[in-house]
Amino acid sequence: GENVEQHPSTLSVQEGDSAVIKCTYSDSASNYFPWYKQELGKRPQLIIDIRSNVGEKKDQRIAVTLNKTAKHFSLHITETQPEDSAVYFCAASILKGGTYKYIFGTGTRLKVLA
Amino acid sequence: NAGVMQNPRHLVRRRGQEARLRCSPVKGHSHVYWYRQLPEEGLKFMVYLQKENIIDESGMPKERFSAEFPKEGPSILRIQQVVRGDSAAYFCASSSSENTEAFFGQGTRLTVV
Repeated sequence: GENVEQHPSTLSVQEGDSAVIKCTYSDSASNYFPWYKQELGKRPQLIIDIRSNVGEKKDQRIAVTLNKTAKHFSLHITETQPEDSAVYFCAASILKGGTYKYIFGTGTRLKVLA
Repeated sequence: NAGVMQNPRHLVRRRGQEARLRCSPVKGHSHVYWYRQLPEEGLKFMVYLQKENIIDESGMPKERFSAEFPKEGPSILRIQQVVRGDSAAYFCASSSSENTEAFFGQGTRLTVV
């Protein structure tokens, strides 16, 4: 199938706390999972990605974990700051007709409260 | 990723007119994706193109919508006889190959009046 589910739809955390966003996908052939951050009125920007041959990837305060067996992956933001407030989208590469395309989750609106 | 250029940034059309949205991918990228985004909603896949080929158009309405990515020049998303429900932000993204980082343009905000 071509389905990527994302939870929660909204998330509020206190500055300095951690935030976790979870996604599940349905296509077992998916092998590339990027995360995008979109600020109000702006373009989505890639913040981190992971491939199916690794289980975890970290870049400073941001980490992504992947469980291929369960078909879910998560974004972890530690020591959140007000500038982390944005909408975050997960995506998965979906194989169809021999080619891959990116299907996005429905987004999580993160608010970091000062 | 500032290399993906979309124009116009804002487009206002009256019902029944045609809208043409342009996307110039990052130099050297041959894969282009178009997405539609309604306010407060996610990115809905429309079409995936490679140079001169439509790879997957399963997310694009069969009527009034068309897309192309010619050998030379930008990718074009064309909406004929626009209706109010076509009002949305349309984003394109490009990548150098399948399953690699896709970079987004700034989007075209279409308003149908």
